[in-house]
Amino acid sequence: NAGVTQTPKFQVLKTGQSMTLQCAQDMNHNSMYWYRQDPGMGLRLIYYSASEGTTDKGEVPNGYNVSRLNKREFSLRLESAAPSQTSVYFCASRSMSVVYEQYFGPGTRLTVT
Amino acid sequence: AQSVTQPDIHITVSEGASLELRCNYSYGATPYLFWYVQSPGQGLQLLLKYFSGDTLVQGIKGFEAEFKRSQSSFNLRKPSVHWSDAAEYFCAVAPRSGQNFVFGPGTRLSVLP
Repeated sequence: NAGVTQTPKFQVLKTGQSMTLQCAQDMNHNSMYWYRQDPGMGLRLIYYSASEGTTDKGEVPNGYNVSRLNKREFSLRLESAAPSQTSVYFCASRSMSVVYEQYFGPGTRLTVT
Repeated sequence: AQSVTQPDIHITVSEGASLELRCNYSYGATPYLFWYVQSPGQGLQLLLKYFSGDTLVQGIKGFEAEFKRSQSSFNLRKPSVHWSDAAEYFCAVAPRSGQNFVFGPGTRLSVLP
């Protein structure tokens, strides 16, 4: 039981390049989330998926797209990376049972030069 | 709009001393409340959560938190801090129905030997 896994762990991009961050969970959770973490700002929600086949914008969706490929996987795509997207990205998942809390992956540290 | 404030950006305590980390929230109704801890280079781990009932909740690693509705606060406490508690701590709120978690900006805890 690996929980929430993310790949890659580190990535350096040049401005304008594209990439996809991968996230998978093996806890059979319905909901999945993408956050970015910047110093002094906590975690800000980029997109979430309440269930397979649905996605919704969070607080800071501009410049990102997501795909809920199946119940396990939720990917985040940067089509044209910008230096402002330099951040640490976390994926999380959550069951809708009474447990309720989110479980987080280890993060992807992205630098855009 | 929902918001979470953590007034202390950085706190330093001596090992063995007591600790209190403050969290205040602004929300339309009483939300679910969480404290997460993040060690350097790691993802977030849940310390404790409040859903309803007893306003003093116990968590892992000897932490506890008290919900005070009149003050819209959910402060985290530990009677005796260990060097391994050095980390960043995040308070978060979530609606009782809905998906959006809102995180505070975090408090970094340093522990002196």
